[in-house]
Amino acid sequence: EAGVTQSPTHLIKTRGQQATLRCSPISGHTSVYWYQQALGLGLQFLLWYDEGEERNRGNFPPRFSGRQFPNYSSELNVNALELEDSALYLCASSFWQGVGYTFGSGTRLTVV
Amino acid sequence: QQQVKQSPQSLIVQKGGISIINCAYENTAFDYFPWYQQFPGKGPALLIAIRPDVSEKKEGRFTISFNKSAKQFSLHIMDSQPGDSATYFCAASMGWTSGSRLTFGEGTQLTVNP
Repeated sequence: EAGVTQSPTHLIKTRGQQATLRCSPISGHTSVYWYQQALGLGLQFLLWYDEGEERNRGNFPPRFSGRQFPNYSSELNVNALELEDSALYLCASSFWQGVGYTFGSGTRLTVV
Repeated sequence: QQQVKQSPQSLIVQKGGISIINCAYENTAFDYFPWYQQFPGKGPALLIAIRPDVSEKKEGRFTISFNKSAKQFSLHIMDSQPGDSATYFCAASMGWTSGSRLTFGEGTQLTVNP
């Protein structure tokens, strides 16, 4: 069974640009979660999508946004990139109520 | 009140020794406490988890001890092996129906020397 897949693996952007990160959940999972793992800061919750709807949002500015598609895959968009947005962005997926919660390997975003 | 505090930040033990990582939380609404293991270049993987109605859970060499009154929980790795060298995160959540998400500790980098 394929796990949670994220693309691209690495992404380099210039300050002020926009970044788009993608996540494909495990087959059957309807929930997708996004986390930011910045150096020395642990994992910070960004967004939770379920059945195409945004269900919860962490303490991040509105330039962090996303969506979930009918096939349950998800996209995270970061607008007006800042240097401090450089981090590993992790996607996780689960069945309803967190059953089978599994992380992908992440997208390393570098803002220069 | 959403924070989970984890210590130590780094830990070095000898092969065969016991590794102990501690976490503390404030929010008494938390009802699920997992531990994750993360290797370089990989996402975190669930290691073991506990709910507050039990004080201890053991799976192989890994044990979670939970102290509800002190709002603390810890991970013990018995007979630590070099392959256990990784970053460990404790986490907590308070029920999926409330729009829960995992709140993570800061992580502990464990090195097991051969």
